[in-house]
Amino acid sequence: GQQVMQIPQYQHVQEGEDFTTYCNSSTTLSNIQWYKQRPGGHPVFLIQLVKSGEVKKQKRLTFQFGEAKKNSSLHITATQTTDVGTYFCAGPGNNDMRFGAGTRLTVKP
Amino acid sequence: EAGVAQSPRYKIIEKRQSVAFWCNPISGHATLYWYQQILGQGPKLLIQFQNNGVVDDSQLPKDRFSAERLKGVDSTLKIQPAKLEDSAVYLCASSFSTGSYEQYFGPGTRLTVT
Repeated sequence: GQQVMQIPQYQHVQEGEDFTTYCNSSTTLSNIQWYKQRPGGHPVFLIQLVKSGEVKKQKRLTFQFGEAKKNSSLHITATQTTDVGTYFCAGPGNNDMRFGAGTRLTVKP
Repeated sequence: EAGVAQSPRYKIIEKRQSVAFWCNPISGHATLYWYQQILGQGPKLLIQFQNNGVVDDSQLPKDRFSAERLKGVDSTLKIQPAKLEDSAVYLCASSFSTGSYEQYFGPGTRLTVT
């Protein structure tokens, strides 16, 4: 099945700084999903991107799908302590979505 | 709308013992997933059901893991016998159908094997 690679593995920022995580695939993705998992919690769906070059925003979060549909990014503007957690991208497998290893974000107040 | 329910939330067993986890998906969701999440890693799919049929169990260690969804609603995942490396969080998720639908996760069961 399709594998997606995420970088960086960890990111530590000062509150107010921006944060970006990247998701890459060696093959074209029909779509990509992003999830957030708070410490001790379970993954929660954030968004799905389908179209080439698509950009979607949710408040301070901006999601992009690459023109070639092989990569995606999640950018958080002016991080807050509530943004702490691990952000996963997931790409299509055979009949399901396969998760990347995630980027763990910590925010120093 | 009620979310995905899982029990127990925590379980500690000794190696070679057996353990079972239960999951009740969101009402109306045809697809149910069991994932294993080892600390610091992303969820790894163990098995996927569509109604009461198995869609994908290619990553399920079938010598010790088994799962069923007999009536196409709730599901159980069993490990027998457990090994130390089975220590992980076992997440159940459900979605409307197979493919690229949004998945809703339960709170998970944290298993510790000693």
